Amino acid sequence: AQSVTQPDIHITVSEGASLELRCNYSYGATPYLFWYVQSPGQGLQLLLKYFSGDTLVQGIKGFEAEFKRSQSSFNLRKPSVHWSDAAEYFCAVAGNFGNEKLTFGTGTRLTIIP
Amino acid sequence: GAVVSQHPSWVICKSGTSVKIECRSLDFQATTMFWYRQFPKQSLMLMATSNEGSKATYEQGVEKDKFLINHASLTLSTLTVTSAHPEDSSFYICSARAGRVSGELFFGEGSRLTVL
Repeated sequence: AQSVTQPDIHITVSEGASLELRCNYSYGATPYLFWYVQSPGQGLQLLLKYFSGDTLVQGIKGFEAEFKRSQSSFNLRKPSVHWSDAAEYFCAVAGNFGNEKLTFGTGTRLTIIP
Repeated sequence: GAVVSQHPSWVICKSGTSVKIECRSLDFQATTMFWYRQFPKQSLMLMATSNEGSKATYEQGVEKDKFLINHASLTLSTLTVTSAHPEDSSFYICSARAGRVSGELFFGEGSRLTVL
């Protein structure tokens, strides 16, 4: 069965500092990986996804993520965070070219301090 | 990007009543929609997969008679929580797939249900 682990429940970062959110997955075949962001009381918005090709993928809002098969990881990064980045971030995995159901990690809550 | 709209955004009901939540894809046709449940400070748990014109596929442990899903058209799926109880209070989120193959999922803004 597929699974996703986000080891960090809560991260606090100063505005302007760099950010890395960790994600490890377990999947028997080629994984299709996603990062979503959720603002309080809101639905989810797709930041980026990895299906194939270049293992460094660029997303919206200045985010990027790197797929490392050897480490079963898909960490999310941003060089300089903004106060508006404060939200909950979810990593997710799916199989079958992304057509199977998404399995979400438990999320990482990001707090930005001035 | 495509828009998925949920209604209502929040609802409060008495224990024992039924509540219907709508999920609409506003500018695309969605052959498949998904219903998730999210408890406070927790992740999203898939409840069921809704396919237009056919019965929904429920995840293990989800009571299909409790959570009725209808996907009557390519733009509308509904979740009805029947005989709601306080433990059904949660944030319910739907998503819709645009296209059939590797289609991106678009999420609704969620519906918060509080059962008194």
